[in-house]
Amino acid sequence: SQQGEEDPQALSIQEGENATMNCSYKTSINNLQWYRQNSGRGLVHLILIRSNEREKHSGRLRVTLDTSKKSSSLLITASRAADTASYFCATVRNQGGKLIFGQGTELSVKP
Amino acid sequence: EAEVAQSPRYKITEKSQAVAFWCDPISGHATLYWYRQILGQGPELLVQFQDESVVDDSQLPKDRFSAERLKGVDSTLKIQPAELGDSAMYLCASSDRDRDWEQYFGPGTRLTVT
Repeated sequence: SQQGEEDPQALSIQEGENATMNCSYKTSINNLQWYRQNSGRGLVHLILIRSNEREKHSGRLRVTLDTSKKSSSLLITASRAADTASYFCATVRNQGGKLIFGQGTELSVKP
Repeated sequence: EAEVAQSPRYKITEKSQAVAFWCDPISGHATLYWYRQILGQGPELLVQFQDESVVDDSQLPKDRFSAERLKGVDSTLKIQPAELGDSAMYLCASSDRDRDWEQYFGPGTRLTVT
């Protein structure tokens, strides 16, 4: 069973524009992670934000977390065609490390 | 950079046949996960190992699926007999608890049951 929902399900933008994806979840968490998946491939870890953090940056990525609303957002700035992929948020509830994934956002960046 | 290895990358099998997937995690990672990902959805955990012990197999269809990690290193996931609904991507991942359970994924095995 999936933990949360991602919004939008699909997003199409032009190169150079910013892309924002949102994730909502249902239960308390230890941390929230974002992963990228290129078509038919494995997942690549992008960024992790702990439950006591509100914002985190990594290169062109910015993640925010609002535990009171049980939501997170991923912002990709100055997007590139190579950013075209599916993006998943995943939550870790406890120290066991089990990831519960959302349904994903399919991002298409057109050159 | 160390990677999670999986084989085979693709598998086509007929329903009622047996199929097995293999995973070799990143060296030193005590935790290993098997996920199933249906097209258009996020991955769903099937089984989690801590060393050689199963710590979570609540979503594993135990009547037909089995998983083992005998020496606490590599792992095998088996399906017997395969059903049409088992067609999916099977992903293996490993993690190090000292890194907040950030998981490293292998390339996956794409299973098609005909």
